[in-house]
Amino acid sequence: GAGVSQSPRYKVTKRGQDVALRCDPISGHVSLYWYRQALGQGPEFLTYFNYEAQQDKSGLPNDRFSAERPEGSISTLTIQRTEQRDSAMYRCASSVSRTADQETQYFGPGTRLLVL
Amino acid sequence: LAKTTQPISMDSYEGQEVNITCSHNNIATNDYITWYQQFPSQGPRFIIQGYKTKVTNEVASLFIPADRKSSTLSLPRVSLSDTAVYYCLVVRGGSYIPTFGRGTSLIVHP
Repeated sequence: GAGVSQSPRYKVTKRGQDVALRCDPISGHVSLYWYRQALGQGPEFLTYFNYEAQQDKSGLPNDRFSAERPEGSISTLTIQRTEQRDSAMYRCASSVSRTADQETQYFGPGTRLLVL
Repeated sequence: LAKTTQPISMDSYEGQEVNITCSHNNIATNDYITWYQQFPSQGPRFIIQGYKTKVTNEVASLFIPADRKSSTLSLPRVSLSDTAVYYCLVVRGGSYIPTFGRGTSLIVHP
């Protein structure tokens, strides 16, 4: 079966441009998470959805970052006015249920963002 | 949230058993212990989860002592393909934000 997919896999952009990263979770999964992962570090939580509702966005670094999941399936993470420090791997994960304690999260391959 | 501490790196050889211990001294009653594996250029992959005592699946075993202040991931007879980063997570029951640390980089040598 299809796993979590993300697009694009690689994105190179110039500083100041806006970027939109897409995540297509496993069909039927309720929860969707966005993470950012720097080289040599573990994934850092950004935000989380149950169905279409954004439950927590406390991990978003600043107001240039936003995310949506309008129909409870595909999600988009948007970074406005990109800066070089935004360069990282952005990962999406989905899980069947609403809580992370007993449910496996399935991660996508990630989008490598490079801001020049 | 319970903070976890695990070795930054470990080395092993093919065919050996590898044990990676994670300490989580301030684990709470309703916290679960979860381990993920991450290969280079891939996203993390769930390995095993437990609450207490021992859990075993086709990939690994997880040993949790009675006080639950630590846990040990055991990989039997590792192969080169087990070279990866292993993350220990403690997630609050009913929570939704798993916190990944730096993980343990395991290198398996021929």
